[in-house]
Amino acid sequence: EPEVTQTPSHQVTQMGQEVILRCVPISNHLYFYWYRQILGQKVEFLVSFYNNEISEKSEIFDDQFSVERPDGSNFTLKIRSTKLEDSAMYFCASTHLRATGNTIYFGEGSWLTVV
Amino acid sequence: DAKTTQPNSMESNEEEPVHLPCNHSTISGTDYIHWYRQLPSQGPEYVIHGLTSNVNNRMASLAIAEDRKSSTLILHRATLRDAAVYYCILIGHNQGGKLIFGQGTELSVKP
Repeated sequence: EPEVTQTPSHQVTQMGQEVILRCVPISNHLYFYWYRQILGQKVEFLVSFYNNEISEKSEIFDDQFSVERPDGSNFTLKIRSTKLEDSAMYFCASTHLRATGNTIYFGEGSWLTVV
Repeated sequence: DAKTTQPNSMESNEEEPVHLPCNHSTISGTDYIHWYRQLPSQGPEYVIHGLTSNVNNRMASLAIAEDRKSSTLILHRATLRDAAVYYCILIGHNQGGKLIFGQGTELSVKP
């Protein structure tokens, strides 16, 4: 079964450093998402992306965050200057159609620790 | 966004059926009812979804009340691998596939 893959699985970074989390969505999918989950808390929506632009973003997704699809396969989340509170599991997701009845596929996540 | 209410936790015995309830009294006519689950240290995983009629797939069944104000996810024979947090999520017409996760129900399965 096709799957969403994410790298790295775990990254430790110093506060103030830039971090790029990478995702390879399922190949024929057109809509891409980033979610995050702080330890012990619920999964939170960050941003959705379609046709090379952001279609929706949450309040969490401030100017420190950016997303990019640099080529036909990768989808990246960049955190420009990490803060301690950015420590979380970040999940990439994708779906073929942005329809209400469609399945969204998640990756295994990238665990980011900011020290 | 329409909200859902689920019990915080439930317990089941292995190989017994499990019924996970979800209340969504403010559901609108175009909202789909989705269920996802999250196994420990993994990403959320699609389980099943429906609109009005009951649905079955290889993982589970979804029973939707006639007034659509509640639904029940049914695992016919729970296994230890089914221990996870189960999320009942409504996806509305204008949500564009974005999932709004609640706290979900943490299911534990005893051998």
